[in-house]
Amino acid sequence: DTGVSQDPRHKITKRGQNVTFRCDPISEHNRLYWYRQTLGQGPEFLTYFQNEAQLEKSRLLSDRFSAERPKGSFSTLEIQRTEQGDSAMYLCASSKGSGDRNEQYFGPGTRLTVT
Amino acid sequence: GEDVEQSLFLSVREGDSSVINCTYTDSSSTYLYWYKQEPGAGLQLLTYIFSNMDMKQDQRLTVLLNKKDKHLSLRIADTQTGDSAIYFCAETVSGRRALTFGSGTRLQVQP
Repeated sequence: DTGVSQDPRHKITKRGQNVTFRCDPISEHNRLYWYRQTLGQGPEFLTYFQNEAQLEKSRLLSDRFSAERPKGSFSTLEIQRTEQGDSAMYLCASSKGSGDRNEQYFGPGTRLTVT
Repeated sequence: GEDVEQSLFLSVREGDSSVINCTYTDSSSTYLYWYKQEPGAGLQLLTYIFSNMDMKQDQRLTVLLNKKDKHLSLRIADTQTGDSAIYFCAETVSGRRALTFGSGTRLQVQP
């Protein structure tokens, strides 16, 4: 048990609907990350927060995706107007790294299926 | 740019050593990591190595880094059936916090 929790664990939605996922990091961790993993692939980086500031965003994060971490604790990832290509496992990670050292601990993920 | 590659599959017998290999392209890599993913589970951080180190040992795990060839390996001694999983190598590069992952090596341990 790494201590990162995600909710829900599974989400099935119809194309065009909006979905929101939540991540609660390990309590003393100031850095929080979102990744997406599709079958047979490694996770791909989406975005990164240090405290409440969103400091990095991937090109994968289209305009339909938005992430927030309003108080520097939990984070939400919203996907608007979902498409079938959004079906994937969405992983959250947190770290307490300083400088370049950055051990990231992952949650169990939210599996999204868009029908 | 950043690119991390791994072989897809490795099969070993229980009790043997396993060696999982990884290559990366970015010369500004700072830390390299190994993660384990079991079916239906999240990623478990196994170990990591700073790019200025050649080797790191942690119980049954040995990480070797050849920075000149941009080659990373993970050796698992006395491999057990519980080691069957997908193993990912990942890197961070200077100034960025994102992990770049390989596509994973599936380790199958036969009894």
